[in-house]
Amino acid sequence: GAGVSQSPSNKVTEKGKDVELRCDPISGHTALYWYRQRLGQGLEFLIYFQGNSAPDKSGLPSDRFSAERTGESVSTLTIQRTQQEDSAVYLCASSLRQGDTEAFFGQGTRLTVV
Amino acid sequence: GENVEQHPSTLSVQEGDSAVIKCTYSDSASNYFPWYKQELGKGPQLIIDIRSNVGEKKDQRIAVTLNKTAKHFSLHITETQPEDSAVYFCAALRYSSASKIIFGSGTRLSIRP
Repeated sequence: GAGVSQSPSNKVTEKGKDVELRCDPISGHTALYWYRQRLGQGLEFLIYFQGNSAPDKSGLPSDRFSAERTGESVSTLTIQRTQQEDSAVYLCASSLRQGDTEAFFGQGTRLTVV
Repeated sequence: GENVEQHPSTLSVQEGDSAVIKCTYSDSASNYFPWYKQELGKGPQLIIDIRSNVGEKKDQRIAVTLNKTAKHFSLHITETQPEDSAVYFCAALRYSSASKIIFGSGTRLSIRP
């Protein structure tokens, strides 16, 4: 009966390196969201997956950011050539179906680029 | 697309008093309005939601009101307690359509003992 699981919980990386963040949604949840939260700030939408539909990538801030999801399971968010401004908590959420049901969030991955 | 504005950004109230957080939205087709609470170091968690076919919903000390004509909705917390201290986010979206969740900018609520 696990919730949304994200790994790693913390990641420190050097500027210019690539990082990969992982999200394991709740089993059976067809919708999956990624958000970025800078320190003391709000939830910035990055990307949304819904079943087998084309993902909504409208929130990705640059072409250094990409995400994949295999079917209705694990998703990975990749940031290439990391910059200091990428430092933030990256939150993943899943919901049973699109729109109206509760979105369950993971604990997030705290990314620090040094 | 949807745009959600939230006020105030910070709110400090005396324990036992009420707190009100307000949001406005831009998309008149939005019909589902959830509120999330984020405690320090944790992901946000749904605390209450309302659909457009009702004007008010209550759950113990928490209530939400919705004015579709004016396109605004509010969260009301009565008899505030220390554990209510957190960041609160509102959101507006269309249910039954593939839709990302756009959140307001958040309100940091502090309860003074």
